[in-house]
Amino acid sequence: RKEVEQDPGPFNVPEGATVAFNCTYSNSASQSFFWYRQDCRKEPKLLMSVYSSGNEDGRFTAQLNRASQYISLLIRDSKLSDSATYLCVVNPEGSARQLTFGSGTQLTVLP
Amino acid sequence: DAGVIQSPRHEVTEMGQEVTLRCKPISGHDYLFWYRQTMMRGLELLIYFNNNVPIDDSGMPEDRFSAKMPNASFSTLKIQPSEPRDSAVYFCASSRPESMNTEAFFGQGTRLTVV
Repeated sequence: RKEVEQDPGPFNVPEGATVAFNCTYSNSASQSFFWYRQDCRKEPKLLMSVYSSGNEDGRFTAQLNRASQYISLLIRDSKLSDSATYLCVVNPEGSARQLTFGSGTQLTVLP
Repeated sequence: DAGVIQSPRHEVTEMGQEVTLRCKPISGHDYLFWYRQTMMRGLELLIYFNNNVPIDDSGMPEDRFSAKMPNASFSTLKIQPSEPRDSAVYFCASSRPESMNTEAFFGQGTRLTVV
């Protein structure tokens, strides 16, 4: 079983739609969680950290369910510029500085 | 700050040749990571350094791969001899040590093709 699993997609949604991505992780001791965004042929960039209480940044909402070992990302009112691959990222050991990346979920927002 | 700088951006080499990838982390960042990205395996951590010292190289695929960090502003990843299956995008990233939620900043990557 992979340490971090994501639905690879692709997700093709119309502009203005709401889309949700899910991610599961295998190490119950994991302590840090993130969503990164990667545009085509570019480097990954941090989108947002994920906190236990859930957090929101504009149109983006991230949630963590430790009991189910599950992370989600919700994008509301999607824009063409949201088209990218979204990577679920977990720090499996907590104290170490290693980030484990999911394979990513590809999103295309259509006009 | 210019961000994490990698060179070259693209490298095409013949099987059996030595390949050296270079990285300059962001000034003040104590952690440096080398990742490899392929369609099949996604983004994999190869090795990371803390204060120029290799901490975990368990992701290095085999002895053909080696990485060094001679000083705080420079790191190399060397493949010798290279093989076609090494073809991938290699990313270098750096981060500050402050907390577990500290962001990792990636360079633009080196796209390696071994023919």
